[in-house]
Amino acid sequence: AQKITQTQPGMFVQEKEAVTLDCTYDTSDQSYGLFWYKQPSSGEMIFLIYQGSYDEQNATEGRYSLNFQKARKSANLVISASQLGDSAMYFCAMREQGGYNKLIFGAGTRLAVHP
Amino acid sequence: DTGVSQDPRHKITKRGQNVTFRCDPISEHNRLYWYRQTLGQGPEFLTYFQNEAQLEKSRLLSDRFSAERPKGSFSTLEIQRTEQGDSAMYLCASSAAQGNEKLFFGSGTQLSVL
Repeated sequence: AQKITQTQPGMFVQEKEAVTLDCTYDTSDQSYGLFWYKQPSSGEMIFLIYQGSYDEQNATEGRYSLNFQKARKSANLVISASQLGDSAMYFCAMREQGGYNKLIFGAGTRLAVHP
Repeated sequence: DTGVSQDPRHKITKRGQNVTFRCDPISEHNRLYWYRQTLGQGPEFLTYFQNEAQLEKSRLLSDRFSAERPKGSFSTLEIQRTEQGDSAMYLCASSAAQGNEKLFFGSGTQLSVL
């Protein structure tokens, strides 16, 4: 069965510094997709970045980049130049094989950005 | 350009009562998903619609839960005879039909069963 593991319940970072949020996954599928979502206190899940299993380059979206290490089955999110508004829950998710976008989520990491 | 809308944002009910939540997806999205999120956990998949057809239901969705998507537009999730264990955030998401298209989530309905 597919599984996502986020081992950091909480992380702290100083404003303007970079932070890495860890994510490991388990799957026997050859084709899969990995997502990161941000959930602020308002509750809405906000898409940040996507990495396909066959993508050769690490995905980047503005200040977000995904450090994809396929052999290690890890998909860590790197946030550069942290801002106070980055304080939120962050969830790693994997798309199950099946032709539609059913996602399996990890337990999340709470990030606090300090001034 | 509107996103995914969910109504109500909050619902407090007494154990044993029935509740119904509504989700309006992004208009051009034919795929719609319901997830449940309990405190300190990531969202868990409940059910999936493609247009009006309900194509998958999680084992989490007991027979007290029913979801519909008439005409392939908005969707409703009904919980009958609510229990305290049903207290959670219920999230709706929609996506387009492409394989790796991202899910757009609503702000959720927070249910509290007293």
